[in-house]
Amino acid sequence: NAGVMQNPRHLVRRRGQEARLRCSPVKGHSHVYWYRQLPEEGLKFMVYLQKENIIDESGMPKERFSAEFPKEGPSILRIQQVVRGDSAAYFCASSPGRVGNTEAFFGQGTRLTVV
Amino acid sequence: TQLLEQSPQFLSIQEGENLTVYCNSSSVFSSLQWYRQEPGEGPVLLVTVVTGGEVKKLKRLTFQFGDARKDSSLHITAAQTGDTGLYLCAGDSGSARQLTFGSGTQLTVLP
Repeated sequence: NAGVMQNPRHLVRRRGQEARLRCSPVKGHSHVYWYRQLPEEGLKFMVYLQKENIIDESGMPKERFSAEFPKEGPSILRIQQVVRGDSAAYFCASSPGRVGNTEAFFGQGTRLTVV
Repeated sequence: TQLLEQSPQFLSIQEGENLTVYCNSSSVFSSLQWYRQEPGEGPVLLVTVVTGGEVKKLKRLTFQFGDARKDSSLHITAAQTGDTGLYLCAGDSGSARQLTFGSGTQLTVLP
């Protein structure tokens, strides 16, 4: 399966702990996007990364959240000191990033539950 | 901030009926995409429309992009239970930085 791979699929964290969500894009895709989805809602943009660069983080909370897409390895979305309001499904998408083409291929998501 | 409004938010119909889902904005998009999402899964791309007035057909699904590229519609003919899911529209402003998603239409097709 050469699609976007996210892990873990489900993650339970206690308040105050750290959550690390991983995303491996489609092979050959150099652009990664992270979105957050609350139940029965659409997807809210968080951050857009290219290899080793954050291009747009306008949707990312200023505190506790960070993202990276290193030269080697998956993209990581990190949430420090999680709170109950962080509970949501987090989706990663990748695209080839060609000009005029933003068709995104999504992973199956990580469902974060903060207890 | 660009916003996409989808209507209706929820739709429950009998198998065999037709339906239309709408996606509206006050902003112009260079392209608009429709996705379908099933419970526990990520959104799956159905179609991309690029040109104002464009109509694309995918079996029983017909997608239309408004002439002004501010709105779009999805029409399903003779709905089947397998069409059940969350339908999302997403607009691309042309900056290639992010997609703006609508809040979705939850479709339930009853047998």
